[in-house]
Amino acid sequence: DIQMTQSPSSLSASVGDRVTITCRASQSISNFLNWYQQKPGKAPKLLIYAASSLQSGVPSRFTGSGSGTDFTLTISSLQPEDFATYYCQQSYSTPSLTFGQGTRLEI
Amino acid sequence: QVQLQESGPGLVKPSETLSLTCAVSGYSISSGYYCGWIRQPPGKGLEWIGNIYHSGSTYYNPSLKSRVTISLDTSKNQFSVKLSSVTAADTAVYYCVTYNSGWRHFDYWGQGTLVTVSS
Repeated sequence: DIQMTQSPSSLSASVGDRVTITCRASQSISNFLNWYQQKPGKAPKLLIYAASSLQSGVPSRFTGSGSGTDFTLTISSLQPEDFATYYCQQSYSTPSLTFGQGTRLEI
Repeated sequence: QVQLQESGPGLVKPSETLSLTCAVSGYSISSGYYCGWIRQPPGKGLEWIGNIYHSGSTYYNPSLKSRVTISLDTSKNQFSVKLSSVTAADTAVYYCVTYNSGWRHFDYWGQGTLVTVSS
């Protein structure tokens, strides 16, 4: 299985901050990397697919980048509704799909 | 608008079989989508359980493969998961999902249902 490692595991930030979350794959996954946002008690929501493509309806302050083994999710100016847990997920090793352990973004 | 809704027992005894169903509305599961299941133990991360294609082909997480079965009921536009020989470690919120095989991401999610394994 391809292992996905996110850093940091948790992060404290303020409204208006620029925040970056990193996801590293244990082997090259090209650009088959997705990012999800999960709020407490809710199902995850797709933010970014194929490493850098913004899902319809997701604000443009979310950007994804990277390829190969190293990827980042950047939120350009944090809004109150962005405080949540973020997961990366690789879809290179189809059908064995794996998630990172999550990054909890706190105020 | 695609909507998914999980249903099934919220409490299962150890060593028994967990069974959940996902009712799909807004599209026909026989039309070519992958359907699947993901779980999340309380306070922990996400774990992919498996996917099923409209043809019936299944793909499972290797760590669960010996215990899991995912099936389709196209007449009812729903799909199901069965997990046998459960233990407390299988306590989790179980989500049914659709998987976009073109862009390779999970796009639609059910609200999730908590299943507790306890005697």
